[in-house]
Amino acid sequence: SQQGEEDPQALSIQEGENATMNCSYKTSINNLQWYRQNSGRGLVHLILIRSNEREKHSGRLRVTLDTSKKSSSLLITASRAADTASYFCATVVGGGYQKVTFGIGTKLQVIP
Amino acid sequence: EPEVTQTPSHQVTQMGQEVILRCVPISNHLYFYWYRQILGQKVEFLVSFYNNEISEKSEIFDDQFSVERPDGSNFTLKIRSTKLEDSAMYFCASRSGQGAHQPQHFGDGTRLSIL
Repeated sequence: SQQGEEDPQALSIQEGENATMNCSYKTSINNLQWYRQNSGRGLVHLILIRSNEREKHSGRLRVTLDTSKKSSSLLITASRAADTASYFCATVVGGGYQKVTFGIGTKLQVIP
Repeated sequence: EPEVTQTPSHQVTQMGQEVILRCVPISNHLYFYWYRQILGQKVEFLVSFYNNEISEKSEIFDDQFSVERPDGSNFTLKIRSTKLEDSAMYFCASRSGQGAHQPQHFGDGTRLSIL
């Protein structure tokens, strides 16, 4: 399998519910990032978690990182219709020019 | 908030023609990148650029591809002789040089359609 694989690949929830997306990876990383992509648009950076961190919060977002299991999760609480998008985890190796490897993404649909 | 801008938003080109995709990274950023995303697939790394030279490139970035930062503000990706399989969204990104934990900032992409 490839670096940065998210599951589920598609998720459909009702507005107000929480959405959880998972990401697994294979190699040691410097940090792990989550990005969001609206249809036909670029990638918007959401949150970065360093390899020595276990949990991070930003607004309605909560990210966890388990380096022993090489996995991360992104939780969006109290989802809104505007959260409908694809979410990608990206693993980062290297400190300088950095190599970023994206997963295949989770397509989230929030139904109003 | 400063952002990465890419032009054009959509480029249609005949197979075999050369194409240049343009990007204006965030000023004072030092690291520059190109990625591509074939429709329905994941974002793939093409090349990173630092200090006026390529620092890393993927297997996709073959001799048909080149990058340039001609004037200190633009960052271009050139495909010399386009193929049908080059049809994709191409994203430019830039990153500041302040530490290892700064994220890459992406433009909205150029949709390249090869006919």
